[in-house]
Amino acid sequence: QLQLQESGPGLVKPSETLSLTCTVSGGSISSSSYYWGWIRQPPGKGLEWIGSIYYSGSTYYNPSLKSRVTISVDTSKNQFSLKLSSVTAADTAVYYCARPGGVRAHDAFDIWGQGTMVTVSS
Amino acid sequence: DIQMTQSPSSVSASVGDRVTITCRASQGISSWLAWYQQKPGKAPKLLIYAASSLQSGVPSRFSGSGSGTDFTLTISSLQPEDFATYYCQQANSFPHTFGQGTKLEIK
Repeated sequence: QLQLQESGPGLVKPSETLSLTCTVSGGSISSSSYYWGWIRQPPGKGLEWIGSIYYSGSTYYNPSLKSRVTISVDTSKNQFSLKLSSVTAADTAVYYCARPGGVRAHDAFDIWGQGTMVTVSS
Repeated sequence: DIQMTQSPSSVSASVGDRVTITCRASQGISSWLAWYQQKPGKAPKLLIYAASSLQSGVPSRFSGSGSGTDFTLTISSLQPEDFATYYCQQANSFPHTFGQGTKLEIK
């Protein structure tokens, strides 16, 4: 079945760019018109939706992060990626990638990666 | 942005109890609401989508209701494995905001 796996550096310095990749296995990222998503969770806190990318490349970002976020898709590698620039300690969190259960923008995330912890510290 | 407010923030209950968690949207979201369960160190798990549809494989003791701005998640008879944190999320419009979470603890 479809699986998602996040990867990337676990430690990023303040003011630098956080870069994560979500690798999709068990299915093709371009075979169906899903809105692939990124969500994060600071330690001990709740979930925050970061943004989503349609399989065709259209992107939707959280306004609170929009000036610093870029989500892209690489169909040749069956991956989609997150870049968050000018990070601070407030960006320390577990980052999840996820796929909704259907192809509508309204569909909830039913497949999640295991999450990857990213710490922002010098 | 649509704000999602859950209540209570935490609740203590016993095995066998019936528990209801509420989620209120700052504006109407039709039925585009999901409920997730999260256990420590794990990714969230989808329980309910479209306000009242039970995700495949989720026990029938979980149910959701509501539309517009007011929604509820009900667990009819708590089991030991249900003690976790629960989140609602609206998917009516981007950004797809989450509620702040409700921690369900053992009494």
